[in-house]
Amino acid sequence: DTGVSQDPRHKITKRGQNVTFRCDPISEHNRLYWYRQTLGQGPEFLTYFQNEAQLEKSRLLSDRFSAERPKGSFSTLEIQRTEQGDSAMYLCASSFPKSGMNYEQYFGPGTRLTVT
Amino acid sequence: DQQVKQNSPSLSVQEGRISILNCDYTNSMFDYFLWYKKYPAEGPTFLISISSIKDKNEDGRFTVFLNKSAKHLSLHIVPSQPGDSAVYFCAASASRSGNTPLVFGKGTRLSVIA
Repeated sequence: DTGVSQDPRHKITKRGQNVTFRCDPISEHNRLYWYRQTLGQGPEFLTYFQNEAQLEKSRLLSDRFSAERPKGSFSTLEIQRTEQGDSAMYLCASSFPKSGMNYEQYFGPGTRLTVT
Repeated sequence: DQQVKQNSPSLSVQEGRISILNCDYTNSMFDYFLWYKKYPAEGPTFLISISSIKDKNEDGRFTVFLNKSAKHLSLHIVPSQPGDSAVYFCAASASRSGNTPLVFGKGTRLSVIA
């Protein structure tokens, strides 16, 4: 079990540029989540997938954000026309709901985005 | 409107003593609660969880207590160790309704002093 991995770990970009982040979940996990964390706040939910289907999107996810999980394995999060307010830690988590309804989400190390 | 609140931004405890971190929630649909620990420049690490059908769950030095009527939960760490120094996040979900994303509090920074 190699855990959830994210790439890149850090990204510095200029305002207006597009960026794409990748998340590789734990291999047997069928659910994948994206969260965003800013300074002094807890992680805030953005979107999640069950296998390749995107089941829910937060109102935080503006039209400039898009996420995909094409084969139900890794996922990408793209931000178009970045703004300084997009600067944050982007966290990916995965889970595999067991026989009951309760489950834990396991987080990756995050991608820290800085928009200058 | 914050549905999960951690009202203490920070807590200092001496090594060997008990650390008690508190969390309050407002959404009565929440039925599963988790505590995560976060070190700088790392993602949150799952610590312990509790379902709403229980009022206590214990794992080694960590115990979580849930008081549903007060919509309050707490994490007890005993004995506290310097390696426990981190930011602790309380999270909740309404899994029975099919709403699975976690809602997090703002975190409490725990410092364990040797």
